Amino acid sequence: GAVVSQHPSRVICKSGTSVKIECRSLDFQATTMFWYRQFPKKSLMLMATSNEGSKATYEQGVEKDKFLINHASLTLSTLTVTSAHPEDSSFYICSASEAVLRGPQHFGDGTRLSIL
Amino acid sequence: GQQVMQIPQYQHVQEGEDFTTYCNSSTTLSNIQWYKQRPGGHPVFLIQLVKSGEVKKQKRLTFQFGEAKKNSSLHITATQTTDVGTYFCAGNSGGSNYKLTFGKGTLLTVNP
Repeated sequence: GAVVSQHPSRVICKSGTSVKIECRSLDFQATTMFWYRQFPKKSLMLMATSNEGSKATYEQGVEKDKFLINHASLTLSTLTVTSAHPEDSSFYICSASEAVLRGPQHFGDGTRLSIL
Repeated sequence: GQQVMQIPQYQHVQEGEDFTTYCNSSTTLSNIQWYKQRPGGHPVFLIQLVKSGEVKKQKRLTFQFGEAKKNSSLHITATQTTDVGTYFCAGNSGGSNYKLTFGKGTLLTVNP
């Protein structure tokens, strides 16, 4: 149980393109999902907390107009990287928790984004 | 803001040797979680520690949570090649903020 699906797994696109990444909880409802960014051989940096039916909470230094988050249902959150540039190239990974408070997080497989 | 420090950054061992990674938080934690990320994979939840001084075991893995709930450790006895990966600790400070702050991780490699 507790499977999180993330799609697509890899994106290669030109600079200026907007890219949408989907994160789905397949067998549980997730009122909260989290979006992370991970650089090679580095830790997970929390970008934002996605709340179903309300605005996402962004971490300091993360541009909310650049990284649009929508959490329209209890099983789906999307991250859109708008007008992507080469510096946005990274590994983006989402997670969701079954328990609202302080439960383990279940991660998607991640999306490797490469902007040319 | 809350910081979680983790050492060592890298650890290379011979198969059969023991391995330990340490985590230290700048603030008292509500709980601490441990994750394992295999090369090319995503983090997988291992365990959650909640109580002060708690010790939990999973086969060859032993997890400890400090008395002050600010530090934690993961110890692997007699490492195997399947133990290869990056081990992350992640602290939760509690309250209405249930996000996790991850340590930098310890990359474990095992020489067969």
